[in-house]
Amino acid sequence: GAVVSQHPSRVICKSGTSVKIECRSLDFQATTMFWYRQFPKKSLMLMATSNEGSKATYEQGVEKDKFLINHASLTLSTLTVTSAHPEDSSFYICSATAGGEQFFGPGTRLTVL
Amino acid sequence: RKEVEQDPGPFNVPEGATVAFNCTYSNSASQSFFWYRQDCRKEPKLLMSVYSSGNEDGRFTAQLNRASQYISLLIRDSKLSDSATYLCVVPLMFSGGYNKLIFGAGTRLAVHP
Repeated sequence: GAVVSQHPSRVICKSGTSVKIECRSLDFQATTMFWYRQFPKKSLMLMATSNEGSKATYEQGVEKDKFLINHASLTLSTLTVTSAHPEDSSFYICSATAGGEQFFGPGTRLTVL
Repeated sequence: RKEVEQDPGPFNVPEGATVAFNCTYSNSASQSFFWYRQDCRKEPKLLMSVYSSGNEDGRFTAQLNRASQYISLLIRDSKLSDSATYLCVVPLMFSGGYNKLIFGAGTRLAVHP
């Protein structure tokens, strides 16, 4: 199947700093990528749909000024958590569609102290 | 009603047992469904797709009842390696041609010796 990578896999930062997470489709091009967030013992919640060359579409309740998404190429989407706070600590997962199936990246575990 | 609802679990079963998970969905227009498996601190991975009345793959059987808007996953002859969280997923098709995945909260399965 298609491969999606994420970087970093784990990040610990201080409150108030910004963190950038990269999502790459390694062997295919993805015009659309998705960003999810998963809190402990909860399911994945879609945060936003990232569209190459245009603005991301955010789900209700997700602050677009706090979670900046850039999809500058067909293989890369980035999510920047600005001015991170402890409540932003979560598992962030991206996905991309290839052949009608969504493939997930390995996730990024963010811990904000 | 939640878009996708699942048995909360956890299900604790001995090796060799048969276990079934249930899932109900609210959007009667949904045409396809998925079961994903998620291991602790990992990304979800596709286990089975369900497009018609059901699907079988080895020890795993998924059944769909459109009238009741109900999907089930049956695991026969449980193995220790089946221990994971099983996510019921319903895609919503958008005009852009991509699917937005709606995840259930997941059912945790623990298989013990």
